[in-house]
Amino acid sequence: KNQVEQSPQSLIILEGKNCTLQCNYTVSPFSNLRWYKQDTGRGPVSLTIMTFSENTKSNGRYTATLDADTKQSSLHITASQLSDSASYICVVSGDRGSTLGRLYFGRGTQLTVWP
Amino acid sequence: ETGVTQTPRHLVMGMTNKKSLKCEQHLGHNAMYWYKQSAKKPLELMFVYNFKEQTENNSVPSRFSPECPNSSHLFLHLHTLQPEDSALYLCASSQDLAGSTYEQYFGPGTRLTVT
Repeated sequence: KNQVEQSPQSLIILEGKNCTLQCNYTVSPFSNLRWYKQDTGRGPVSLTIMTFSENTKSNGRYTATLDADTKQSSLHITASQLSDSASYICVVSGDRGSTLGRLYFGRGTQLTVWP
Repeated sequence: ETGVTQTPRHLVMGMTNKKSLKCEQHLGHNAMYWYKQSAKKPLELMFVYNFKEQTENNSVPSRFSPECPNSSHLFLHLHTLQPEDSALYLCASSQDLAGSTYEQYFGPGTRLTVT
């Protein structure tokens, strides 16, 4: 069964600290993996997209890694800010075919940054 | 702003009402999507349109009726909804179908409450 599991479910850190969010997936065959940031009451905003051949990709203070062999990805946030408080969603795209079958969403990690 | 707008932002309706959600994208994209986001659950893809044609219907109940008059506009017509349909409804668009590496851009969502 194609699934995307994220951990932890929620996380609280102090401003200025680093943190790492995890995403494990069983989607196969694999096409790409995305990380989205969703602020409360808003739509998700893309942070990174990685294909099979990419191991790491950065977007400012956000760095995503991908290990396609172990089917794991992580999102590392450096020097956290209050504005980083949001839900972070991992989305995995499977093989071509039905669009419906090609996008698999995790439940998200709710990150709270305290001053 | 992502270039995808949704109206209304909030909607409260009774189970016997008929209402419509509107989505408009100003990005020149060919594909548009409706998603449902319930608390503590992953995003659920409802409908996909590509070049105005519906390509996917994820077994959505008939009380939800989509309409795509052109590539820039997408509607979700609602009638005789149930309280469990209360959720955040998100619209998204992409240049091509999102199973590839084409980025999906989300609107801010409509918070729907069914009483």
